[in-house]
Amino acid sequence: GAGVSQSPSNKVTEKGKDVELRCDPISGHTALYWYRQRLGQGLEFLIYFQGNSAPDKSGLPSDRFSAERTGESVSTLTIQRTQQEDSAVYLCASSLLLPEIYGYTFGSGTRLTVV
Amino acid sequence: AQSVTQLDSQVPVFEEAPVELRCNYSSSVSVYLFWYVQYPNQGLQLLLKYLSGSTLVKGINGFEAEFNKSQTSFHLRKPSVHISDTAEYFCAVSGGGADGLTFGKGTHLIIQP
Repeated sequence: GAGVSQSPSNKVTEKGKDVELRCDPISGHTALYWYRQRLGQGLEFLIYFQGNSAPDKSGLPSDRFSAERTGESVSTLTIQRTQQEDSAVYLCASSLLLPEIYGYTFGSGTRLTVV
Repeated sequence: AQSVTQLDSQVPVFEEAPVELRCNYSSSVSVYLFWYVQYPNQGLQLLLKYLSGSTLVKGINGFEAEFNKSQTSFHLRKPSVHISDTAEYFCAVSGGGADGLTFGKGTHLIIQP
């Protein structure tokens, strides 16, 4: 597609439920990043996928968080047993190799509210 | 490891006045520096970036930034702001390639009529 697409745009869930967030990157972009943006905070790196390599999961805050990517296409971020501190905007970005040259393209994010 | 400090969480400024948003970084390696803007309920949009060469970088919407290696700063400036510039501005640093971006906490630019 023309841009990075994220769904849903908004999600309200009850504490303890599982949620799944989706990111559809730009076609041909080999790299995909997930970030979390809490209210009044900067963007916090969560996970990075590059082609078929093992993902860099170093930013995942707990074992309740996991992410998958099928080849170089769609990625899903799953949060199990959601807690109120998981409330945030979850942003996805994709890029070609050498993103510092070709740039990162961000989606509009999924606003997650845990009640 | 890299880190970014944006010294001001909010900057109020009158319309048509100049503005400077401050950004300082720390890194043990050479870095690439970026400024992104986030309008309400939207994703991040690249304003400008510094990779190498001239330390004064010009971006979209009349913004520019100057890389100062000795002061480890990359402040963003605009000579005359408009109401439409009201947004959150993020400074970010990358070591390149798989490093991804490390972001500051953002500065909310508030334009007063």
